[in-house]
Amino acid sequence: AQSVSQHNHHVILSEAASLELGCNYSYGGTVNLFWYVQYPGQHLQLLLKYFSGDPLVKGIKGFEAEFIKSKFSFNLRKPSVQWSDTAEYFCAVTVSGGYNKLIFGAGTRLAVHP
Amino acid sequence: DVKVTQSSRYLVKRTGEKVFLECVQDMDHENMFWYRQDPGLGLRLIYFSYDVKMKEKGDIPEGYSVSREKKERFSLILESASTNQTSMYLCASKGNEKLFFGSGTQLSVL
Repeated sequence: AQSVSQHNHHVILSEAASLELGCNYSYGGTVNLFWYVQYPGQHLQLLLKYFSGDPLVKGIKGFEAEFIKSKFSFNLRKPSVQWSDTAEYFCAVTVSGGYNKLIFGAGTRLAVHP
Repeated sequence: DVKVTQSSRYLVKRTGEKVFLECVQDMDHENMFWYRQDPGLGLRLIYFSYDVKMKEKGDIPEGYSVSREKKERFSLILESASTNQTSMYLCASKGNEKLFFGSGTQLSVL
């Protein structure tokens, strides 16, 4: 069965530090990849997505992610975090022919200290 | 903006009760989903629907059923609630290749 692994469950950073959250998936075929974010008390919302083309995708609020097919990875990055980036981040994948079924990772809680 | 509305933010029910969680979307989306969110486990798909009266099991359908009688409404039913169904339940609809989520229902089964 397809699965998504997020390596870090909790990350604590100071403002202006760089961020990289790991995400790996287990599926050998064509995938669509997503990062969703849940700010405290808010809905889950899409941060960025990759379907095809340039493997480096840019999302909202200065986030970007790189799809590395050979490593089955889709890591999320931000060069300089802010206190307002404190949230839970979820990596997700849909597989070709998978009836739109979005499979989520366990999530990473990010706390940014001023 | 797409709106996905879940009828209750918090629910407390007793073991064995039948529980209905309602979700309504206002964007005429065909695909709707029910997830449960648990700490350390992320979001797990319970059921989804790709059209009225059409449904597919997700990864953890046991103990749940769903109903989609109208396109805008997707209901999750706990036939006989159990304590291990205490969780945050999230409804979503799909449009423009992304999911739009409701604010969630925190269900506690005592």
